[in-house]
Amino acid sequence: GPKVLQIPSHQIIDMGQMVTLNCDPVSNHLYFYWYKQILGQQMEFLVNFYNGKVMEKSKLFKDQFSVERPDGSYFTLKIQPTALEDSAVYFCASSLEGHTNERLFFGHGTKLSVL
Amino acid sequence: GEQVEQRPPHLSVREGDSAIIICTYTDSATAYFSWYKQEAGAGLQLLMSVLSNVDRKEEQGLTVLLNKKDKRLSLNLTAAHPGDSAVYFCAVKNSNNRIFFGDGTQLVVKP
Repeated sequence: GPKVLQIPSHQIIDMGQMVTLNCDPVSNHLYFYWYKQILGQQMEFLVNFYNGKVMEKSKLFKDQFSVERPDGSYFTLKIQPTALEDSAVYFCASSLEGHTNERLFFGHGTKLSVL
Repeated sequence: GEQVEQRPPHLSVREGDSAIIICTYTDSATAYFSWYKQEAGAGLQLLMSVLSNVDRKEEQGLTVLLNKKDKRLSLNLTAAHPGDSAVYFCAVKNSNNRIFFGDGTQLVVKP
């Protein structure tokens, strides 16, 4: 079936550095999402994105976070600068039309370790 | 906003036994309900989704029950096997299209 790919699967960086998490969504999907899962905790919504714009973001989506999808390439989550509390697994998801009764396709996650 | 509670956090059953996981939610306008399985080191695998107008859905040894009056969603693995060992998450999607996840249930199925 359709797959969402996330690159890399694991990223280790020093606190204060910039990191970009890459997501290759399902090819014809139009809505994109990032979720954050701290180890042992539930997944929490960060942001959704459509037509080049952030549609909705949660309080977890700090000012240091930004998302973009330039020219239909990867949907990226950039954190600049990173903090220790940014260590988590970040899941990307996409959907075709963004309807309430439509499933999201999730990637396998990128584990971010901030040292 | 929506609050989702999932229980139990840990569940250990013998092969062939049933395993039941329950989630409760708070927003009566919630429209779409899903269960995901997360194996170690892997992503989320969608098991089953139901709309709010469905009370019961069965597929391949899984039964999802939705009680809208009590705002309760359950997943029943009717005859668990060791390959079912994983973390299971319920997820509810509200009218703003935002998904809220439960805390997860670590299921261990012993041979």
